[in-house]
Amino acid sequence: NFMLAQPHSVSESPGKTVTISCTRSSGSIASNYVQWYQQRPDSSPTIVIYEDDQRPSGVPDRFSGSIDRTSNSASLTISGLKTEDEADYYCQSYDNITPVVFGGGTKLTVL
Amino acid sequence: EVQLLESGGALVQPGGSLRLSCAASGFTFSSFWMHWVRQVPGQGPVWVSRISSDGSATRYADSVKGRFTISRDNAKNTLYVEMNSLRAEDTALYYCVRDVATTGTNFDYWGRGTLVTVSS
Repeated sequence: NFMLAQPHSVSESPGKTVTISCTRSSGSIASNYVQWYQQRPDSSPTIVIYEDDQRPSGVPDRFSGSIDRTSNSASLTISGLKTEDEADYYCQSYDNITPVVFGGGTKLTVL
Repeated sequence: EVQLLESGGALVQPGGSLRLSCAASGFTFSSFWMHWVRQVPGQGPVWVSRISSDGSATRYADSVKGRFTISRDNAKNTLYVEMNSLRAEDTALYYCVRDVATTGTNFDYWGRGTLVTVSS
């Protein structure tokens, strides 16, 4: 089994850009798609990025995803930060052994 | 509009049993793989189980294998999980989740969850 490591928290000012990383412990990050979920307080998670870099309809283009084979990690970048972006963000992937693995989550504070 | 409505959560004693249900609407339920994911308040989501669109294939997290059984009734558009030999560490909010992926997993809709508390 592999794990997905995320920073516990990040903070940035409104209007700025923030990047949240998700590092895979074993196996290639490029082998299996990575998804990103946003969870606002007292709400269910909602998907913001699927298949590494695809944005569902309705998600602002301020949200983008990427993978980096060198660091074996995925990244979620949010540009033009708004206070409404303040939430917990979780990466998720899978492999042939475990259908679903979530990262530990990153709390984004927009201050 | 896609809706997933969980029910059945309750306070139950250790060693007890519970059946959760998830009523799906707004989409062709029988076409989608479905999952249960749980989350302890303040912690991240944890995958519990999944079932194929026709119910023929199931998978479980090691932590619940042998104690939980996932099933579905496509005629009733309902997903279930039967939970036996419950432990304190099963205490969590349980989400019903739709998987839209053709490769891997991709959770496009989540229910609002139902709370299971295992305590004496």
